[in-house]
Amino acid sequence: KQEVTQIPAALSVPEGENLVLNCSFTDSAIYNLQWFRQDPGKGLTSLLLIQSSQREQTSGRLNASLDKSSGRSTLYIAASQPGDSATYLCAVKTGANNLFFGTGTRLTVIP
Amino acid sequence: GAVVSQHPSRVICKSGTSVKIECRSLDFQATTMFWYRQFPKQSLMLMATSNEGSKATYEQGVEKDKFLINHASLTLSTLTVTSAHPEDSSFYICSAQGGPVNEQFFGPGTRLTVL
Repeated sequence: KQEVTQIPAALSVPEGENLVLNCSFTDSAIYNLQWFRQDPGKGLTSLLLIQSSQREQTSGRLNASLDKSSGRSTLYIAASQPGDSATYLCAVKTGANNLFFGTGTRLTVIP
Repeated sequence: GAVVSQHPSRVICKSGTSVKIECRSLDFQATTMFWYRQFPKQSLMLMATSNEGSKATYEQGVEKDKFLINHASLTLSTLTVTSAHPEDSSFYICSAQGGPVNEQFFGPGTRLTVL
């Protein structure tokens, strides 16, 4: 069964810093990988989706990479802002149409 | 991105009652809808997967008679928690899949509290 791990579980950084969130998965046979943001008590907002054939995706200050062979993905956030504070979830979709979620990284950006 | 709505956003009910949660894809047709639950400080756990017009597929450990799922159309799925108990209190999130890359879009969630 696919297992998704996110490190670190929590991260605090001063405003303006660049940061990297890590995601690893055990089975490289994935269909795609998504990064989500979840604010407290809210649903999920999709940030980036990387197809299994792609290496990275970019949206504004966010860049996600995918190394399928090593079972790793990173989410890079440039010039962090207090509004970036949230929990970031990584999820991989398998061919069986199941989306496996990591436990998330809780990010706090300190003004 | 596509929009998925859930209703209600919050519900408080007495033990033993049934609660229905609606999930709608507002601007696209969803071939598949998913229901998740999330406990505090934990990640999302898939409860069931449903395709329009067919029976839902439940994950191991999820009681299909307790969590009734109806996927009546390509834009609407409902989850009914029957005879709710305090241990059913949780955050329930639906997801609808569609579009050219079969991306999953998530609803805002429903906070269920059973007294």
